[in-house]
Amino acid sequence: GAGVSQSPSNKVTEKGKDVELRCDPISGHTALYWYRQSLGQGLEFLIYFQGNSAPDKSGLPSDRFSAERTGGSVSTLTIQRTQQEDSAVYLCASSIRLGPNSPLHFGNGTRLTVT
Amino acid sequence: DAKTTQPTSMDCAEGRAANLPCNHSTISGNEYVYWYRQIHSQGPQYIIHGLKNNETNEMASLIITEDRKSSTLILPHATLRDTAVYYCIVRPDKAAGNKLTFGGGTRVLVKP
Repeated sequence: GAGVSQSPSNKVTEKGKDVELRCDPISGHTALYWYRQSLGQGLEFLIYFQGNSAPDKSGLPSDRFSAERTGGSVSTLTIQRTQQEDSAVYLCASSIRLGPNSPLHFGNGTRLTVT
Repeated sequence: DAKTTQPTSMDCAEGRAANLPCNHSTISGNEYVYWYRQIHSQGPQYIIHGLKNNETNEMASLIITEDRKSSTLILPHATLRDTAVYYCIVRPDKAAGNKLTFGGGTRVLVKP
């Protein structure tokens, strides 16, 4: 079946512009997660959703970052007034439910470049 | 939360079994052991997970020691496409376990 889909796959933007990144989770998955990976670095947790609620947004780096999820499905990660340090691959994942016995399944990410 | 220790890198021979070790000596009670891999320019790929018993699926086998302080991921017949960074992750059974925390992983190179 279809996996996690992210769009766009690549995004180049100018410093100071806002960007929106989209994630379509696997159908029926109630939990959705956002991570980012800077060049040569590890994966950094940003936020997760259970349904449309975000119980843990502890990883969002600043108030320029926000995310929402509507209809328990699609999620959008928004970065306002982008900075060069925001350049990274932004990865989305989903799982059938929350909890440690439920694997996360990742998309292939959106590569964001801020010039 | 339990931490994991993995070799930074290892080489494996194509066609042979690849045995990837992971130490998690502080693992407790109901914490799961997960394995993911990340092939260059792709998102992490789920491989397998387990709690106490050994597990096998179409990709790999997971062997967890009886004391649960270490585990081994076995790729039965490594191919060049198995070259990737492999992550061993212990996932807590409380709220922190609602997400995955990635460490540095093992960079595995499968050689012809």
